[in-house]
Amino acid sequence: DVKVTQSSRYLVKRTGEKVFLECVQDMDHENMFWYRQDPGLGLRLIYFSYDVKMKEKGDIPEGYSVSREKKERFSLILESASTNQTSMYLCASRTGANTEAFFGQGTRLTVV
Amino acid sequence: ILNVEQSPQSLHVQEGDSTNFTCSFPSSNFYALHWYRWETAKSPEALFVMTLNGDEKKKGRISATLNTKEGYSYLYIKGSQPEDSATYLCARDTGFQKLVFGTGTRLLVSP
Repeated sequence: DVKVTQSSRYLVKRTGEKVFLECVQDMDHENMFWYRQDPGLGLRLIYFSYDVKMKEKGDIPEGYSVSREKKERFSLILESASTNQTSMYLCASRTGANTEAFFGQGTRLTVV
Repeated sequence: ILNVEQSPQSLHVQEGDSTNFTCSFPSSNFYALHWYRWETAKSPEALFVMTLNGDEKKKGRISATLNTKEGYSYLYIKGSQPEDSATYLCARDTGFQKLVFGTGTRLLVSP
């Protein structure tokens, strides 16, 4: 059973904290993604990675950074959490173009 | 159409009703169109990845069609069941790793 696993389902952090969201996939996929989902806005791409140590900005990268030191692990970092980063965060992976994406279960982050 | 648009935004039907949703997308530089089902408290799961104009795909009571020339796809659910309640997402595959998602159609099926 293929899996994308996110480290936390729910997270509450304080404004200004550095936050790490971890994602691990066991399918040997080259491509990994971080999305956030907000009501009425759909899934918006924050960052993606197409290989180890390679990353590309998505549509809303401001306030975020990422790390991909190993093929199976893709981390999203909120350098200094703010209340407008309260959201549902979804990690995904896939082999390449025209292939389905596999998603983690999501992390609901609340910044207070 | 610059982005992916889905309609309706939400839908409430009775068990046994058949229903359909629309996904509109830019018709130029088409690579693929994805449909995902996202149930509450679960991960989004792929239903279909469609690449050819005129494609029709089916999985149980759910089917989808694709028109790449005019830039739309329909998702049909025949005889809706309460377990079909979910948000249905479509996404345009850019061919460069990225998927561009619509805002989804939230379906509620009442017993």
